[in-house]
Amino acid sequence: GNSVTQMEGPVTLSEEAFLTINCTYTATGYPSLFWYVQYPGEGLQLLLKATKADDKGSNKGFEATYRKETTSFHLEKGSVQVSDSAVYFCALSRYNQGGKLIFGQGTELSVKP
Amino acid sequence: EAQVTQNPRYLITVTGKKLTVTCSQNMNHEYMSWYRQDPGLGLRQIYYSMNVEVTDKGDVPEGYKVSRKEKRNFPLILESPSPNQTSLYFCASSSPGGNQPQHFGDGTRLSIL
Repeated sequence: GNSVTQMEGPVTLSEEAFLTINCTYTATGYPSLFWYVQYPGEGLQLLLKATKADDKGSNKGFEATYRKETTSFHLEKGSVQVSDSAVYFCALSRYNQGGKLIFGQGTELSVKP
Repeated sequence: EAQVTQNPRYLITVTGKKLTVTCSQNMNHEYMSWYRQDPGLGLRQIYYSMNVEVTDKGDVPEGYKVSRKEKRNFPLILESPSPNQTSLYFCASSSPGGNQPQHFGDGTRLSIL
């Protein structure tokens, strides 16, 4: 079946450090891939997405590339800020399933000044 | 402002007392879903709807009911809540297609004693 696996957290970094959060997926066909971010007490917000192989999604300095050969969609940011502290979810979606998202377990990021 | 609105945000109740969590979206989206979020498990889909009067089970539907009588509303009903339904619940909506991002509400934290 379809599934998403993320690196476990929590991840603690100093401000301006480089961030990588690993995400791999298992799916038939050609899923769309997403990263969502959840700030404390809030719902999930779309951070970026990629809909086909080799697409790169980017937003707010975050990037992720859809790698079909390695079934991965790792999230990266070159220089994190304290305001990036949140929980990050990798997710996939397949066509004609009512928009259903299959989520990884989430990775908590804490950035210290 | 485009939004998904859930009510209540917090609820503490007792086993067996029927409750309804409301969800409303103002974006004219066809697709709506309910998810529950539990530590270490990410988010899992409970039910979804692809249009008015069209609903289907997600991955964890036991103990829940939904209805879609109007396009904008998608209430979640717990007819006889039990402690294992204590969780954080999110409603989401999107346009059709697997590559469309979901828009999430701010969540409803339910505690069933």
